[in-house]
Amino acid sequence: QKEVEQNSGPLSVPEGAIASLNCTYSDRGSQSFFWYRQYSGKSPELIMFIYSNGDKEDGRFTAQLNKASQYVSLLIRDSQPSDSATYLCAVRVPTGGFKTIFGAGTRLFVKA
Amino acid sequence: ETGVTQSPTHLIKTRGQQVTLRCSSQSGHNTVSWYQQALGQGPQFIFQYYREEENGRGNFPPRFSGLQFPNYSSELNVNALELDDSALYLCASSLWGVSNQPQHFGDGTRLSIL
Repeated sequence: QKEVEQNSGPLSVPEGAIASLNCTYSDRGSQSFFWYRQYSGKSPELIMFIYSNGDKEDGRFTAQLNKASQYVSLLIRDSQPSDSATYLCAVRVPTGGFKTIFGAGTRLFVKA
Repeated sequence: ETGVTQSPTHLIKTRGQQVTLRCSSQSGHNTVSWYQQALGQGPQFIFQYYREEENGRGNFPPRFSGLQFPNYSSELNVNALELDDSALYLCASSLWGVSNQPQHFGDGTRLSIL
């Protein structure tokens, strides 16, 4: 079992729709959860992070965390073509001062 | 606030050679982590440095080694380069022991092995 799992996609949504990206993790001791966006050939860019159960909203983005189910998701409302990228889920595990483990990423395409 | 900087941006090497990649951490950060990202994959954790010592290592062979300096900057050294080492190498900085603050990434070094 991979430590952090994501559906590789591609996920295709029309412009203006809600994109839903999911991530599961294996280490129950995981402390914090991050979503990064990565455009082709570029480095990851932080979108949001969450460490308490429930929802956290920031503009068009909502992160959801359910530690009992070991599940974290990212919702993108009013999706724009510029949101087309790979979205990486990252989990901070309490090993050696906390190390961050990444999923393989989900490719999102927003069709104009 | 100075962000994470990496050098060089691109590098071409041949099999068997050695390479050194450099990273300057964001101001105020004392921990540097290195990742390897192959095409189409997520970043794979190589190792992490704090107080000039390796603290945590992923599933990478000993020919991947590193250093951290008193100013928290870091180097990644790879010996006996193999074709599979071709990847984007990412450096990220953070604060040691703080779980709920994100890492900040540099722009990466694209390494190509011929």
